[in-house]
Amino acid sequence: QAGLTQPPSVSKALRQTATLTCTGNSNNVGNQGAAWLQQHQGHPPKLLWYRDKDRPSGISERFSASRSGNTASLTITGLQPEDEADYYCSAWDSSLRTVVFGGGTKLTVL
Amino acid sequence: EVQLVESGGGLVQPGGSLRLSCAVSGFTFSSYNMNWVRQAPGKGLEWVSYISSSSSTIYYADAVKGRFTISRDNAKNSLYLQMNSLRAEDTAVYFCARDTFDFWGQGTVVTVSS
Repeated sequence: QAGLTQPPSVSKALRQTATLTCTGNSNNVGNQGAAWLQQHQGHPPKLLWYRDKDRPSGISERFSASRSGNTASLTITGLQPEDEADYYCSAWDSSLRTVVFGGGTKLTVL
Repeated sequence: EVQLVESGGGLVQPGGSLRLSCAVSGFTFSSYNMNWVRQAPGKGLEWVSYISSSSSTIYYADAVKGRFTISRDNAKNSLYLQMNSLRAEDTAVYFCARDTFDFWGQGTVVTVSS
């Protein structure tokens, strides 16, 4: 099953802004948008944003998401040391009738 | 407080079987669809299976279709994953996750090795 495409790694300086991308197709990201999850080493993932909706309660306003066509983006402003983690996008694929994940982006905060 | 607690993982030989369970509390289980997601050592997340709230709709990833069976017991607030014909590549941490991935369990480790 084809997955979503994410850059393997992104590095940004403390207090800067990072934008992570997730590219799919019209059957998944382009259809209903992508969810974004954060995972710290040794912990389960945490939902940051769900599809074209909003961030769940308790998620910092520093996290925001958008979509343009078949590419979804997660923007993290004012980077903090605790933002260093792996970030995954996921989407429902209406053609495959499966959930597809991106390979993940490792965000390093310098 | 929402809680999802997986159990049933362990070491199994290739070709063997395991049944994973996910006990949930803190929300009306019968109202929510559920997923199983796995993560191989050092790898990314891989969706495994989905079951609707009433069990009427079930989907599987190609990698497990025909070998794994998802089920649920709404009276027991529990989700299950029956895994048969296990392979080395099924070695992973298995997570249960609520419908929109807003809540996850801590995961249970499955190791397939001789």
